[in-house]
Order: sequence, then C-alpha cells, then structure tokens
Amino acid sequence: GAGVSQSPSNKVTEKGKDVELRCDPISGHTALYWYRQSLGQGLEFLIYFQGNSAPDKSGLPSDRFSAERTGGSVSTLTIQRTQQEDSAVYLCASSTRGGTAYEQYFGPGTRLTVT
Amino acid sequence: GENVEQHPSTLSVQEGDSAVIKCTYSDSASNYFPWYKQELGKRPQLIIDIRSNVGEKKDQRIAVTLNKTAKHFSLHITETQPEDSAVYFCAAVNTGTASKLTFGTGTRLQVTL
Repeated sequence: GAGVSQSPSNKVTEKGKDVELRCDPISGHTALYWYRQSLGQGLEFLIYFQGNSAPDKSGLPSDRFSAERTGGSVSTLTIQRTQQEDSAVYLCASSTRGGTAYEQYFGPGTRLTVT
Repeated sequence: GENVEQHPSTLSVQEGDSAVIKCTYSDSASNYFPWYKQELGKRPQLIIDIRSNVGEKKDQRIAVTLNKTAKHFSLHITETQPEDSAVYFCAAVNTGTASKLTFGTGTRLQVTL
C-alpha cells in the first residue's frame, strides 16, 4: 500500500516568509510525528499527534512553529516568519499503536532552505 | 518523560569486524525498543526491535540485547559490510500509554574496507 507522503519535497523560501509543509500518513495510523533533521544531525522531535488526544507540542522550538492534524489524517506544519536556522529536512512519520504493530514509518521529508 | 542516551556518536570499524552501539533509557515503564537505520540521503527505517519480555533478539547479522535492570539496550552487528555504513538510532517507549517514541541522538557507523 501507499506509504507516508510529504509535500513539497523541496522548498526554498526567503527569510521572513511563512511556509506550510504537508504530511499524508498511512491510512489508519493514529499516531503522527514531525521531526526536524539538520545536515548530519539527529532527529529533533517537534510535535506528536495521537488519536483525539491533545498533541504533544513539547518539541516545537518557538511560537513561530505550529501544526495541526485535520480529521485524524493529514497534517500541516506551519513555520511563520522563517529564519535561516529553520533550514533543515522536515520528516513526518506515522504509526499504529498497540499489539505488535508499532513500527514508525517515515516519509521522504521536505528539504526547507531559507535564503 | 523518557530520556534516551546513545553512544558512541561515531564508530568506525573494518569490514568483517563487529560493531556495538549502546543506549540507556530513563523510564523504567518503557517496554518497546526499536532500532532505525538511516542511510545517507534516505529516510530512517526500522531494522530490529525488542520488547521488554525478552532479553535478546537476532535477525541474521544483527542482534539486540536488553537489560531491564540496568535500563540499557544494545545493537550488535557482526561481520560488518560496507552497506552497513549509516546512522543508527535507538528509541524507547511505553506502549501502554499515549506517550511518544523517544529517539537517541544517533550513531554514525562507518565500515571501512
């Protein structure tokens, strides 16, 4: 079946502009994560959605970052007033929870470049 | 919340040698421990996982061990090959709650010829 998809694959924006990154998780997956990965670095957790629970926003680096998940499916990560330090690959992942099905499936990422 | 520490940050081994990556976790309630491999320019993918009801799991050249008392788990790769070169991430979570999966900081493994 279809995996996790993200769009756009690449985004170049000017400093100060807003950007929206989209994630389409695997159908039926209740958990959805956003991570940021700078070149050669680890996975920086940003936000976690689980079913109808309030999202865990503890990883968002500033109030310029926000995310929503509509209808328990598609998620959008919004970065307002982008800064050069926001340049990174933004990865989305989804998973089910419970039983033996707990694998987290990653999307291909969106490479964001802020000029 | 959970905190996962991973060592070493970089590891270089010769082809054919073994590689060991170690992780410690803080939440004694964590019961699921996956390992992900991220090749250069690609997305992370699950390679092996272990649950707290077992102490060791093997899959061909890779194995994971878990010590619940000490709260640490390790990835072992035997007979390393150049295609094992990648960044490896460990993670931990308590699957009985709605808490998130917490990743370690990653280990860059380089297998040299």
